[in-house]
Amino acid sequence: QVQLVESGGGVVQPGRSLRLSCAASGFTFSDYGMHWVRQAPGKGLEWVAVISYDGSNKYYVDSVKGRFTISRDNSKNTLYLQMNSLRGEDTAVYYCAKEQQPRGSWNYDYWGQGTLVTVSS
Amino acid sequence: DIQMTQSPSTLSASVGDRVTITCRASQTISSWLAWYQQKPGKAPNLLIYKASSLESGVPSRFSGSGSGTEFTLTISSLQPDDFATYYCQQYNSYWTFGQGTKVEIK
Repeated sequence: QVQLVESGGGVVQPGRSLRLSCAASGFTFSDYGMHWVRQAPGKGLEWVAVISYDGSNKYYVDSVKGRFTISRDNSKNTLYLQMNSLRGEDTAVYYCAKEQQPRGSWNYDYWGQGTLVTVSS
Repeated sequence: DIQMTQSPSTLSASVGDRVTITCRASQTISSWLAWYQQKPGKAPNLLIYKASSLESGVPSRFSGSGSGTEFTLTISSLQPDDFATYYCQQYNSYWTFGQGTKVEIK
């Protein structure tokens, strides 16, 4: 069965950094594009970043460009999100999500349970 | 960027009601649209993909329709487990979610 388990969230001061991880199992990780999606407290879903199955293509929402970096290690079945220069508006639950079909640009069929990032002094 | 607009933002309904949620795209997205259900404190759950394809394991009372810029999610007979927030998502050009529709008990 597919499992996505996020970790690395916590409380961090504005301007500091944090790295999130998403450990994947139950499918051929190296075949699927992977995403980060966030949800601020009481708000809707916001797509953050995507990385292609082989790591060759990465795209970001404008609000995190230049501050966040998505990466993956297919040998470890793990997805990462390096978050630098954090701001209060980055406070959210961060979910990793798996694309439904391999090697394309698709919707998501599995999500992790989420990890909370709180940016506060 | 493609914007997605859902209506209504909140919907009050009773068990057994037929419920329809609309999602409009700011430009054509063909049929590259998905619907998700989210309950408080939980990750979203895929209901519909490619506008009208029902995800495996999802009850048949859920259905999706539309193409181009206008889409609908219909719940044919609302059940107690269906009170939740619903999001549409386009994946034609990058990925964008609608703002959500909360279905609450009338």
